[in-house]
Amino acid sequence: QSALTQPRSVSGSPGQSVTISCTGTSSDVGGYKYVSWYQQHPGKAPKVIIYDASKRPSGVPDRFSGSKSGNTASLTISGLQAEDEAAYYCCSYAGSYTLIFGGGTKLTVL
Amino acid sequence: QVQLVQSGAEVKKPGASVKVSCKASGYIFVDYYMHWVRQAPGQGLEWMGIINPSGGSTTYAQKFQDRVTMTRDTSTSTVSMELSSLRSDDTAVYYCARDPTLVGAGNYLFDYWGQGTLVTVSS
Repeated sequence: QSALTQPRSVSGSPGQSVTISCTGTSSDVGGYKYVSWYQQHPGKAPKVIIYDASKRPSGVPDRFSGSKSGNTASLTISGLQAEDEAAYYCCSYAGSYTLIFGGGTKLTVL
Repeated sequence: QVQLVQSGAEVKKPGASVKVSCKASGYIFVDYYMHWVRQAPGQGLEWMGIINPSGGSTTYAQKFQDRVTMTRDTSTSTVSMELSSLRSDDTAVYYCARDPTLVGAGNYLFDYWGQGTLVTVSS
C-alpha cells in the first residue's frame, strides 16, 4: 500500500494562510472520516492537531482546521506564525485496523 | 498525567532482532489501543502495527507482517515491539503511540507518543 500523497513543501508569510492536501484512495481517505494530522518539529515526537478529518484536540489553536472531500483531505493553517514552521503528516484509517501515513509536508514560514 | 516511556537506544547487526518496550502510566492501560510508528533519518512517518492491550490482538502493516511481533504485559502496563531479520534500512526512531478509539475520544488517531527509541542497524 503506497503512502498518501502530500506536497513535499509549502510556504507562506506570517499572517497568511496555507493549505496542505493529502490524497488517497477510496480504500482509505475516501472510505472513512478517520483522517488525522500531525505536526512535527525537528527532533520531537509528532503532535496531533486534527482528528476525525475536522476535529481539533483541546489546546490546538483554531488557526488549524481540517476538511475532507472524496479521496482528498486538507489541512488549512490561517494566520501563519513562525512557530508553525514544521513538518505536517496526514494519516488515514484504511480498514481492518490498519492505518497509512502521507509522505509529509515541510512548511516554511517566510 | 499520561506518559509513555520507551526503552533506550539500540545498536544491532544486520540479521539480528531488536525489542523495544513502552511503559504506560497515567491512564487505564487496557482501555486504549497502542500503535508502533517508525521514522527513518530524514524521512516520514511509517505505521507498523496496532495492539489491543485488553486481549492482546494485533494487526501489522503488510510490509512488516513476517518480521514484527507486538506484545503486551498488563501487569506492568507495558507494550513491546520486536523486529527481526534487521537490515540497514530498519535504522530509524521507533515510537509507541496511544489511540483513544476504544473510549470514544476520536477514531484511529495518536493522542500521546513515547519519546522515541533510536535503533541503529550497522555491521
